[in-house]
Amino acid sequence: DIQMTQSPSTLSASVGDRVTITCRASQSVYSWLAWYQQKPGRAPKLLIYKASNLVGGIPSRFSGSGSGTEFTLTISSLQPDDFATYYCQQYNSYENTFGPGTKVDVK
Amino acid sequence: QLQLRESGPGLVKPSETLSLTCSVSGDSISSSGYHWGWIRQPPGKGLEWIAGIYYRGTTYYNPSLKSRVTISLDTSKNQFSLRLNSVTAADTAVYYCARHIDGSAVVAGYWGLGTLVTVSS
Repeated sequence: DIQMTQSPSTLSASVGDRVTITCRASQSVYSWLAWYQQKPGRAPKLLIYKASNLVGGIPSRFSGSGSGTEFTLTISSLQPDDFATYYCQQYNSYENTFGPGTKVDVK
Repeated sequence: QLQLRESGPGLVKPSETLSLTCSVSGDSISSSGYHWGWIRQPPGKGLEWIAGIYYRGTTYYNPSLKSRVTISLDTSKNQFSLRLNSVTAADTAVYYCARHIDGSAVVAGYWGLGTLVTVSS
């Protein structure tokens, strides 16, 4: 199994901050990585797929980068609607796995 | 507009079978060319992909659950279903159905609202 880790587990930030979340895989997943946002009591929302492809309708302040074993999700200027938990998902094969999540809360 | 809605019992006894249905509106599961699937999330924990099915019927399963899981399509009702056998308390979770993104069996682009299933006697 490919294991996924995310850092930090919690990130405290203010509106307007630049926020970066890191996701690491235990072996290369090439660019087969997705990012989701989840708010309490809600279903996750897909933000990015194939490491850097922004889903239609997702604000351009979200961006993804990386390949192989290290990936980042960046929010260029944090907005009030962005306080949430973020998960990465590797899908190098259908034996996909999610990271444990990073909670972005109010500083 | 695509909508997915999960339905099924909210309480299942240990060792019994969990059965859920996802009703789809705004798209045809038999002709749209997408994969459909299930993901779950234990209370307060992370996400786990369970299974996916292609509109032509090819199935994909999480290896850790494969021996207990069946996913199927009911094209006449535009629904797809999940069955999980021999459940234990560890199967307590919010279960989401989803339509995966084009070309992927596992990346969920559209999600249902989710349904909480509790395994308890």
